[in-house]
Amino acid sequence: TQLLEQSPQFLSIQEGENLTVYCNSSSVFSSLQWYRQEPGEGPVLLVTVVTGGEVKKLKRLTFQFGDARKDSSLHITAAQPGDTGLYLCAGDPGSARQLTFGSGTQLTVLP
Amino acid sequence: NAGVTQTPKFRVLKTGQSMTLLCAQDMNHEYMYWYRQDPGMGLRLIHYSVGEGTTAKGEVPDGYNVSRLKKQNFLLGLESAAPSQTSVYFCASSSRGKATDTQYFGPGTRLTVL
Repeated sequence: TQLLEQSPQFLSIQEGENLTVYCNSSSVFSSLQWYRQEPGEGPVLLVTVVTGGEVKKLKRLTFQFGDARKDSSLHITAAQPGDTGLYLCAGDPGSARQLTFGSGTQLTVLP
Repeated sequence: NAGVTQTPKFRVLKTGQSMTLLCAQDMNHEYMYWYRQDPGMGLRLIHYSVGEGTTAKGEVPDGYNVSRLKKQNFLLGLESAAPSQTSVYFCASSSRGKATDTQYFGPGTRLTVL
């Protein structure tokens, strides 16, 4: 099983601060997705990255896929309380295997 | 358009009891999935289906069975519940099953086995 490790596991910051969370593996993934999950709900897809070195921006969120396709990061600028949630990365290990999910980063943005 | 729905939302079982979780999607998706989510362990795939009448094992299939008799429904069964099956269960669906496709998740079922 190809593992995805996310760090930090928990992050609590004040509104307006910037933050970066990480998704790392020792294995190569064909593509990688980021999901956000709010309490009592299922995960919702934020972005899919497929090319090594790719950077995608979604308003205040910036996603980067590592050059070697073994890691990814999510940077949030000027965090807001609405950004609070569990951020999950999910990678495609290839060979027709199903997505592998990381354990998540629980983000709390305090007003 | 309800997306993915799950029934029930909460359930408490005693060890050894059985139950079935129902997942329904109205997006005409081919692929459907059952995951469990435990603290600190992310989502782990239990079983999945690539189409009506077909199912396959995921990462943690032991103690669970599934059926996909209709394209829009995917059932997860626990024949003899164990405390280790206490978890939050999520159903998801996707159109083609490609890793770059969006998986649409239901709201989850919180199961406690005493």
